[in-house]
Amino acid sequence: EAGVAQSPRYKIIEKRQSVAFWCNPISGHATLYWYQQILGQGPKLLIQFQNNGVVDDSQLPKDRFSAERLKGVDSTLKIQPAKLEDSAVYLCASSFAGNSPLHFGNGTRLTVT
Amino acid sequence: AQTVTQSQPEMSVQEAETVTLSCTYDTSENNYYLFWYKQPPSRQMILVIRQEAYKQQNATENRFSVNFQKAAKSFSLKISDSQLGDTAMYFCACYNQGGKLIFGQGTELSVKP
Repeated sequence: EAGVAQSPRYKIIEKRQSVAFWCNPISGHATLYWYQQILGQGPKLLIQFQNNGVVDDSQLPKDRFSAERLKGVDSTLKIQPAKLEDSAVYLCASSFAGNSPLHFGNGTRLTVT
Repeated sequence: AQTVTQSQPEMSVQEAETVTLSCTYDTSENNYYLFWYKQPPSRQMILVIRQEAYKQQNATENRFSVNFQKAAKSFSLKISDSQLGDTAMYFCACYNQGGKLIFGQGTELSVKP
């Protein structure tokens, strides 16, 4: 089966600019996650979708971050405006349901200068 | 709140030898799952091994095995016959019934020839 697809692979922007990341989960996977991984740290959950509804967005900085999963398939994560501390790898993951293991994409490395 | 702690930021091992990575966790859930993920420089999270909390038998996957001590909330990973390709970041993670996967800080493992 095809894995979780993410794009772009790398992105460099200046602070205060906006950026968007795209994720296409494995076909049939109802649950989609966005994680932020700052260098040297473990991934931190930003938002979790079940189909096209939000299950958990408690750690999403909603003043600048937004995410959507229209039609319950692919998803977009946006940052506007970006700050220096947003420099990180953004990982997308999906799972079939319930206690199924998460499958991760290759991530997008964001550098904010 | 659910937490995962990895107290070894870095570990090294000689090729063909055995190494154990430590992990402790805290959760109020009765039903949960524990995972070890490997993250090579390519950034993709790869599932190494999974343990269901209700199972007393320790999970084993080829050269990888766990020592699951439920009462102590400990979940260590043993890698036998270490290979150069095992060099990576290793993350311990706890997954509850709500589908939320929380990661530890990671342990950077270096396998030396």
